[in-house]
This record gives sequence, C-alpha cells and structure tokens, in this order.
Amino acid sequence: GIQVEQSPPDLILQEGANSTLRCNFSDSVNNLQWFHQNPWGQLINLFYIPSGTKQNGRLSATTVATERYSLLYISSSQTTDSGVYFCAVVLSNFGNEKLTFGTGTRLTIIP
Amino acid sequence: DTGVSQDPRHKITKRGQNVTFRCDPISEHNRLYWYRQTLGQGPEFLTYFQNEAQLEKSRLLSDRFSAERPKGSFSTLEIQRTEQGDSAMYLCASSKSPPREQYFGPGTRLTVL
Repeated sequence: GIQVEQSPPDLILQEGANSTLRCNFSDSVNNLQWFHQNPWGQLINLFYIPSGTKQNGRLSATTVATERYSLLYISSSQTTDSGVYFCAVVLSNFGNEKLTFGTGTRLTIIP
Repeated sequence: DTGVSQDPRHKITKRGQNVTFRCDPISEHNRLYWYRQTLGQGPEFLTYFQNEAQLEKSRLLSDRFSAERPKGSFSTLEIQRTEQGDSAMYLCASSKSPPREQYFGPGTRLTVL
C-alpha cells in the first residue's frame, strides 16, 4: 500500500518562530489533506490541497504532486498551534476513497 | 452548517460486552467514513458508505464489527464481544461527492476493561 511519511516527528519551538512540516508519499494521489489534531483528539481541517499552493492566515501549504511531497508552513507560531499535524492522502485509484494518514509531526510551542 | 457529530463521546465497557456508536454526518454529505485511532498512531480506515451502500471495508474490520447506514443519513458502528485490543478512538468523517474533502467528528473514545 501507499506509504506516507512525515518529518520531523517532533518539533519544539519558541513562540513566534516559523516552521516547515514535510509530507512524502510513495504513489500518485487524488486528494491530500492537512489536519491539526488538538489535545482532545479532534481533527481540524487545515487544507485540502492535492496540488498547488494555498494560504490561510499564518498557515500555508504547497503540494508538488509530480514529486510526491507536500509542505505545511506555520509562521509566527502561537502556543495554540501545539498538537499533532497529520497529512493524509487518497490514492489515484478509481473508487478508492480512504484517507491514508502519515506518521504525524508533534509540534510543541513554548511561551 | 453543523459539523459531524458522534455519540457517545466516551464509552467504558467490560470485555465481552457489545457497544454501539452513532455518527451524524454534515447534512447533504453523501459519503460517510469510519476510522480507528490508537495511541500514538494516525487514524486507520475501517469502512465507508456512499448513501446507504457500504462500498469498502478494511481488513481491520473483523467479524465482530458491523456498520450500517440504513437511510443514507446517520451511521452506526457496532462491536460485539469487545476485547481489550478494541480500545481506541473511533472517528467518523463525511464528505460530498465531489469534492471529497473529509470532515471529522470529535470521536468516540472506547475503553475496554
């Protein structure tokens, strides 16, 4: 099956710092989503980005589908950004709808 | 738009008991998905529905698990004869078709004693 790897696995930053999270995937995908999982377990949608670049406030994401990777940028980090960040993909197979999640990046923002 | 809702949020049960969880998707979303997440891991796909039809099931969904979406709206996930290994967060998601961006509910955390 498809492999989805995220790096780094853990990241500890001071408040105000910028960060880049990476997601590599092993096969062609139809769908790529980035999520933030809060301490209560809720998965919060950040981006639906099978290709191209999107921005939402302090967050932006870029997916280069031909090279099979996606990047999530967080600028001017705040303590509320702490949590686990997942990327998840759907393979480019007809009828395949399941999201395959990456290994996650645990981000800790220190005041 | 209200989001995906799940009930109950927490369930503690004894080994061998049956449990049932409910998921209400975002209205007008015709696709509904179930995932399971264990501690320290990302969510893993269990099954999905398009309207009332169950279209794909993971190998993770053993004979003790059954999911239904009888009228194409809410869905239930039942686990029979629970085992300690079933302890996990059970997540439900829904999407339109197209686009297929999936939105997740808050999850049901199951603890089997």
